Amino acid sequence: EIVLTQSPATLSLSPGERATLLCGASRSVSSSFLAWYQQKPGLAPRLLIYDASRRATGIPDRFSGSGSGTDFTLTISRLEPEDFAVYYCQQYGSSPLTFGGGTKVDIK
Amino acid sequence: QVQLVQSGAEVKKPGASVKVSCKASGYSFSKYGLSWVRQAPGQGPEWMGWIASNNGRTDYAPKFQARVTMTTDTSTNTAYMDLSSLKSDDTAVYYCALGWSATTWAFDYWGQGTLVTVSS
Repeated sequence: EIVLTQSPATLSLSPGERATLLCGASRSVSSSFLAWYQQKPGLAPRLLIYDASRRATGIPDRFSGSGSGTDFTLTISRLEPEDFAVYYCQQYGSSPLTFGGGTKVDIK
Repeated sequence: QVQLVQSGAEVKKPGASVKVSCKASGYSFSKYGLSWVRQAPGQGPEWMGWIASNNGRTDYAPKFQARVTMTTDTSTNTAYMDLSSLKSDDTAVYYCALGWSATTWAFDYWGQGTLVTVSS
């Protein structure tokens, strides 16, 4: 199975700053079938990005995804107060689907 | 609007089984498969498998293959996940998840989650 490694584990930033989250795969993710989710305490994950770079319905354009092969990036251009949360990447290029361990974006 | 409503929290003893339900509404149930994803406390999500709602075809993650059974009831638009031989490290929130607007495998709709606690 494909193992996804997210870095950093924690990112401490201030509102208005740019956040760059990384997701590395143990082998190439087929057709860039990679998604990003945001999760807040007590809630289910929320889909932000699919196919590595396509924003899901209703997701603000400050969220963007890029990458291919084994290296992927989620960028939040200017952090809003509601963006402080945990973010997960997920690959769906091969079964079993797998998730990364998460990056927590907290307030500096 | 699409909704996935799950059954309530469960407390089970080691070795027992648990069955979680997920009632779907707001879309054509038979046209889309459903995945089950669990999340242990403080951990990332973990995909358990997928079931095609129309014909019951399944794809289980190898880790769960021997212990999980996923089924659907198209008369009630409900999916079920049965996990047997429970251990303490099966304690987690279990979600059903639907890939609908984009792709089957990126989940834009989730149930509210069902906490399963395994404890003697």
